[in-house]
Amino acid sequence: GAVVSQHPSRVICKSGTSVKIECRSLDFQATTMFWYRQFPKQSLMLMATSNEGSKATYEQGVEKDKFLINHASLTLSTLTVTSAHPEDSSFYICSASHRVLKSSDTQYFGPGTRLTVL
Amino acid sequence: AQSVTQLDSHVSVSEGTPVLLRCNYSSSYSPSLFWYVQHPNKGLQLLLKYTSAATLVKGINGFEAEFKKSETSFHLTKPSAHMSDAAEYFCVVSGMDSSYKLIFGSGTRLLVRP
Repeated sequence: GAVVSQHPSRVICKSGTSVKIECRSLDFQATTMFWYRQFPKQSLMLMATSNEGSKATYEQGVEKDKFLINHASLTLSTLTVTSAHPEDSSFYICSASHRVLKSSDTQYFGPGTRLTVL
Repeated sequence: AQSVTQLDSHVSVSEGTPVLLRCNYSSSYSPSLFWYVQHPNKGLQLLLKYTSAATLVKGINGFEAEFKKSETSFHLTKPSAHMSDAAEYFCVVSGMDSSYKLIFGSGTRLLVRP
């Protein structure tokens, strides 16, 4: 149980285009979903926290107009990188926490999406 | 505020020898602590979690970690390393507020020599 998927696993796009990344909790309802960014050989950096049906909370320094997050249901959150530029190239990872389990601070991570902007 | 320090950026062991990955935390309350593993170009997999029920926590794949409040440590160990254990390991503490944010250590890369 507690499986999180991401789609696509890898995407290459041209500079100026927008890219959507999906994050799904496959076998549980997620109270909260999180979006992280990871640069090569570095730790994960939290970008935003997303609760179903409400606006995402962005971390300091993360542009909410550039990284659009939608959490339409208890099993799906999307991250859209708008007008992507080469500096947005990175590994994006989502995670989800259970709706009903007491241990709701445990996050289950997706496999990540490698974004390359040319 | 909570923080996590992983004391080694790289650890290299021979296959079949013990593994020790060190982690110290700082927290003003009793924290939840985690170890996650990340294989190259993959997401993170939960190895184990401490939530104050027992100080010695057993995880998957033979890993375990011991919570030592007096030393503010949560080191990860395994008696015998396997080649498949080579990966990046993150020590993580849960944030204090209701958002349940995770605070990540900088990571330790485990290399396993044949």
